[in-house]
Amino acid sequence: GENVEQHPSTLSVQEGDSAVIKCTYSDSASNYFPWYKQELGKRPQLIIDIRSNVGEKKDQRIAVTLNKTAKHFSLHITETQPEDSAVYFCALRGGGGNKLTFGTGTQLKVEL
Amino acid sequence: DTEVTQTPKHLVMGMTNKKSLKCEQHMGHRAMYWYKQKAKKPPELMFVYSYEKLSINESVPSRFSPECPNSSLLNLHLHALQPEDSALYLCASSHGQGAQDTQYFGPGTRLTVL
Repeated sequence: GENVEQHPSTLSVQEGDSAVIKCTYSDSASNYFPWYKQELGKRPQLIIDIRSNVGEKKDQRIAVTLNKTAKHFSLHITETQPEDSAVYFCALRGGGGNKLTFGTGTQLKVEL
Repeated sequence: DTEVTQTPKHLVMGMTNKKSLKCEQHMGHRAMYWYKQKAKKPPELMFVYSYEKLSINESVPSRFSPECPNSSLLNLHLHALQPEDSALYLCASSHGQGAQDTQYFGPGTRLTVL
């Protein structure tokens, strides 16, 4: 099946700094790339997503970039706040069906 | 209603028990999913129902039995589970078609098998 590598596994930043999480994949037919945030004990929540025909998408402090040629996509969080602390999962959907493949997750900690 | 709901929130069962997990959505979504999530790991797909038909079974042991009574409901019947089946069980739903078929997750059922 599709393989998604996510890095780093843990990320610690100071409040106000930026955070970047990167995912790489192998299936060039992948066409949809969502990012989920999961706080401790809570459900995964979609925070942003991007389709394969778009290179970048931004929503306030959060942005996602997609490089189809290099087969990687990244989550960018600017002006981080303590409430951004959570586990972030990238995911993607391949060329057919509605199955999502998840990355291994990044534990983000925003320190005061 | 823009949420996926799941009951119960917590469940403790013995290895000989039979129990069921329930998931419900009223967003008109036609695809519903069961995931298993262990601590500090990503959700792991178990089953997908599309238009009330089982479309994906990720080689899940038969002690887990899914059921989709109608387009709004999804059940997961549990029987003769093992302690290693203890996990967070997440339900999700999506429209079921389209290039940007976003999946929305329920809050999960925390299952402990003794």
